[in-house]
Amino acid sequence: EVQLVESGGDLVQPGESLKLSCAASGFTFSDSSIHWVRQASGKGLEWVGRIRSKANNYATAYTASVNGRFTISRDDSQNTAYLQMNYLKAEDTAVYYCARGGNNYGHFASWGQGTLVTVSS
Amino acid sequence: DIQMTQSPSSLSASVGDRVTFTCRASQTIGIYLNWYQQKPGRAPKLLIYAASNLQSGVPSRFSGSGSGTDFTLTISSLQPEDFATYYCQQGNSIIRTFGQGTKLEIK
Repeated sequence: EVQLVESGGDLVQPGESLKLSCAASGFTFSDSSIHWVRQASGKGLEWVGRIRSKANNYATAYTASVNGRFTISRDDSQNTAYLQMNYLKAEDTAVYYCARGGNNYGHFASWGQGTLVTVSS
Repeated sequence: DIQMTQSPSSLSASVGDRVTFTCRASQTIGIYLNWYQQKPGRAPKLLIYAASNLQSGVPSRFSGSGSGTDFTLTISSLQPEDFATYYCQQGNSIIRTFGQGTKLEIK
């Protein structure tokens, strides 16, 4: 069974940093792209970014609002992906989901349960 | 970035009804269009990928169609468990984007 489990969500102050983890099982993690998607309370889904596999040079991409502040990485030996968030803003407050990328059509085949990040003073 | 626009933003319907949601892309995306269902407090669930392909385990009352810029998701006969919010998402560009969602409510 495919499983993705996020952790690391917390209450932090504006300007601080936080690192989220996404632990995966039930599929060949090293061959898969991993995406992060967030959702502010009562709002829609927003794609944050992704990291591709080693075969694709671990290429990363980010939405404009987080580019330069957020960094996605992965440790294939631990079947875990990470989202490092720096210079956090109030508007980064959301539930953060990690998701496994689909093979060909850019879809998100499996999702974790999400972890809540709150940025507030 | 490719903008995705869903309509309507909300919809009221009854059990047994046939409902259709629409999604429009700001530029052509071929068939790189995916649909998700989300219930309150839960993660999204993939329903349809590549515009018309039913994800494994999803009931056959769900179907998708379209290509280019205009897409639809149809539920042929609403069941109580189908009341949720539905999102479209384009997978054509590196920067993925979602529609704003359509909330399906019980009439």
